[in-house]
Amino acid sequence: RKEVEQDPGPFNVPEGATVAFNCTYSNSASQSFFWYRQDCRKEPKLLMSVYSSGNEDGRFTAQLNRASQYISLLIRDSKLSDSATYLCVAPWDWGKLQFGAGTQVVVTP
Amino acid sequence: SAVISQKPSRDICQRGTSLTIQCQVDSQVTMMFWYRQQPGQSLTLIATANQGSEATYESGFVIDKFPISRPNLTFSTLTVSNMSPEDSSIYLCSVPGRSISYNEQFFGPGTRLTVL
Repeated sequence: RKEVEQDPGPFNVPEGATVAFNCTYSNSASQSFFWYRQDCRKEPKLLMSVYSSGNEDGRFTAQLNRASQYISLLIRDSKLSDSATYLCVAPWDWGKLQFGAGTQVVVTP
Repeated sequence: SAVISQKPSRDICQRGTSLTIQCQVDSQVTMMFWYRQQPGQSLTLIATANQGSEATYESGFVIDKFPISRPNLTFSTLTVSNMSPEDSSIYLCSVPGRSISYNEQFFGPGTRLTVL
């Protein structure tokens, strides 16, 4: 099984600022990737899917760099409610997800 | 996304005992997955629960320790057998979304298990 690696953080971000962080993967055969958000003591929730070069959803932008095998997540105009752990996910087989350890983001007033 | 419930939401158990966790989905799904999240760590896939056949276990997980049932397309159970403190984790079930990729998955709320 291939690994998915993330900077654990925490990334301390002033409210309204932009934060970005990366995730590297080692399975070059992976075709799709996902960002999940996990709040403390809660289940992970799907935030974004990345199938091609990138995806944008409101204040969130995910980009995929296949040559360098990394995925990035950018959050613009950070809100206090964005404070969470963001999990990078790369499927390693049909229906089977390899999770990164997560990047903690703390948005401060 | 599907609505997924798990029972119990949490439990505290003595070592050597067993706990069965239930996962109920509000729609029929072919595959269900069971994950474990140990304290401070990310999620690890335990097994894939297939309706009508034996579960498929990942490396490091065995049926004797984590027997799984899948009696129909909306329900599955995971049993944690002969528990030890190392089994203290959050156990989550997941199901694929409606995407054809089966890789967009949605998780139940989890069962927080503490073994003393």
